[in-house]
Amino acid sequence: QVQLQESGPGLVKPSQTLSLTCTVSGGSISSGSYYWSWIRQPAGKGLEWIGRIYTSGSTNYNPSLKSRVTISVDTSKNQFSLKLSSVTAADTAVYYCAREYITMVRGVTWFDPWGQGTLVTVSS
Amino acid sequence: DIQMTQSPSSLSASVGDRVTITCQASQDISNYLNWYQQKPGKAPKLLIYDASNLETGVPSRFSGSGSGTDFTFTISSLQPEDIATYYCQQYDNLPRTFGQGTKVEIK
Repeated sequence: QVQLQESGPGLVKPSQTLSLTCTVSGGSISSGSYYWSWIRQPAGKGLEWIGRIYTSGSTNYNPSLKSRVTISVDTSKNQFSLKLSSVTAADTAVYYCAREYITMVRGVTWFDPWGQGTLVTVSS
Repeated sequence: DIQMTQSPSSLSASVGDRVTITCQASQDISNYLNWYQQKPGKAPKLLIYDASNLETGVPSRFSGSGSGTDFTFTISSLQPEDIATYYCQQYDNLPRTFGQGTKVEIK
């Protein structure tokens, strides 16, 4: 069964770039009808969708973050990555990677599975 | 963006009680709604997809209903292991958006 694992620095300085990688195991990132997504959650708050990438390289981003976000995929390593530039304290959150499964039925989709999440703190 | 509004934001109920959470979308999203359960320190877990379909392996005490703009999530008989925060999520449009969550506690 497919599992996802986030990795990257837990502390990033203000104005710098946050970089995270999600490693997919138990299956190929290139197979099936999947988007590979990033979602974040500030402490004690709700979930915010950051964006997603298809294995073709096609991306979609949340307009609220679009100017600062880049999501890329490395199929040879079975990984996809998130870069968020010019970070501030407001970007402090637990960052999750997740697979968005696109079914053939009316475009029904859902996020499953999710990584365990990684806390990124923005502080000097 | 489609705004998802959940209510209540928190609730306290006794073991065995019926628990109901509502989720309202800011525009018609047909049945394009999922429900997730998040326990403290854990990632969200899919419970219900397409508004009313139970994910494989999820206990039948969980159910979902609704379409258009108004949706309901129900736990028919609250169990101690159901203590968590529950989120609705729409997939009618990008960006994907979530409700603000409903924290369920035991009275």
